[in-house]
Amino acid sequence: EDQVTQSPEALRLQEGESSSLNCSYTVSGLRGLFWYRQDPGKGPEFLFTLYSAGEEKEKERLKATLTKKESFLHITAPKPEDSATYLCAVPLYRGYSGAGSYQLTFGKGTKLSVIP
Amino acid sequence: NAGVTQTPKFRVLKTGQSMTLLCAQDMNHEYMYWYRQDPGMGLRLIHYSVGEGTTAKGEVPDGYNVSRLKKQNFLLGLESAAPSQTSVYFCASNPSGGYGTDTQYFGPGTRLTVL
Repeated sequence: EDQVTQSPEALRLQEGESSSLNCSYTVSGLRGLFWYRQDPGKGPEFLFTLYSAGEEKEKERLKATLTKKESFLHITAPKPEDSATYLCAVPLYRGYSGAGSYQLTFGKGTKLSVIP
Repeated sequence: NAGVTQTPKFRVLKTGQSMTLLCAQDMNHEYMYWYRQDPGMGLRLIHYSVGEGTTAKGEVPDGYNVSRLKKQNFLLGLESAAPSQTSVYFCASNPSGGYGTDTQYFGPGTRLTVL
């Protein structure tokens, strides 16, 4: 069964302590992998889209990478303002009402806390 | 551009009451979506629309109805609210590059409590 799994569920880092978040997926014919950031009480905010293995994208202290089975969100020298829940999502083919279509399917997220 | 907006931001209902959540986008996006987010469950698709006048069911459609009479608006209705519908509801939209496969932009959410 196609699915999207994120790990760890929660991660506490000291300010400046670099680490990585993982998003693994099982789907054939990947049509993109999306990373979002979600602050408490707010909607998900788009960060990156990756389409092919080997692709990398960067934004400030964040770098997203993609392999054939997983994506990593690397956080370099994090600051307290990087604290948030990070979501990954993959379009999966779903047939909910007879007709099928690709729908963005989200992992459960990794809650990152960066301690000063 | 305001992007994707949702009204109301908060609402408390009693079991059996009805209400409508409004989503509006000013980006001329073709596709719009309604999700619910529950602790430990992640975001789940309720209904979606691929254009004005169209709607389709997502993963968890039971107990909800939707309408897309204007391209910029997508309404989510609860005819008879149940405690199981207590959740945070998010609207999203994306341009015509491909529904389900293009970047979606989210609204700020509506927190609904059903007593």
